[in-house]
Amino acid sequence: AQSVTQPDIHITVSEGASLELRCNYSYGATPYLFWYVQSPGQGLQLLLKYFSGDTLVQGIKGFEAEFKRSQSSFNLRKPSVHWSDAAEYFCAVGGRSNDYKLSFGAGTTVTVRA
Amino acid sequence: DAGITQSPRHKVTETGTPVTLRCHQTENHRYMYWYRQDPGHGLRLIHYSYGVKDTDKGEVSDGYSVSRSKTEDFLLTLESATSSQTSVYFCAISTPGQLVEQFFGPGTRLTVL
Repeated sequence: AQSVTQPDIHITVSEGASLELRCNYSYGATPYLFWYVQSPGQGLQLLLKYFSGDTLVQGIKGFEAEFKRSQSSFNLRKPSVHWSDAAEYFCAVGGRSNDYKLSFGAGTTVTVRA
Repeated sequence: DAGITQSPRHKVTETGTPVTLRCHQTENHRYMYWYRQDPGHGLRLIHYSYGVKDTDKGEVSDGYSVSRSKTEDFLLTLESATSSQTSVYFCAISTPGQLVEQFFGPGTRLTVL
């Protein structure tokens, strides 16, 4: 069975500070990994994805994530947070072995203080 | 923009009434999905479709049914709505070539009183 754990329910960060959101996954084969962002009242927007190759992937809005197979992790980072980054962030895992279905973590809410 | 619309965007209904939510896409993608989003649970898959009249259950399918008579439309029906089905419902599609990558619609907020 596939699953995702996001250990942090809520993170508060100061504007301009760095941000790291944790994601741990369980998947029996080669995983495809995603980070989505959801602003209040909005749908989900894809931030970045990992399919294969370079384990450090770059996404939109200055975000990056690093795939670590040995730790079953796919943590999201941003060097300097902007007030507009306040949102909820979801990590997801899926792949061919499960008919391309995605499993999502419970999400991490990010609050940005001035 | 993946060309996904959902209707209605908001609905309030009473326990025991039937409710149908519609997802419409303009890109003729084969795979479509219905999720529900609840605090503390993230998104959970209700049903999905891999073609016209081809559907399958997700992890939280009890109390829901789906239909897909045309490529562009995927309907989610609550036969007899219950308060536990109060949620935000999202439709998603997968793009050809990268079937695991999904794009989401704007969501429908459903309240069952």
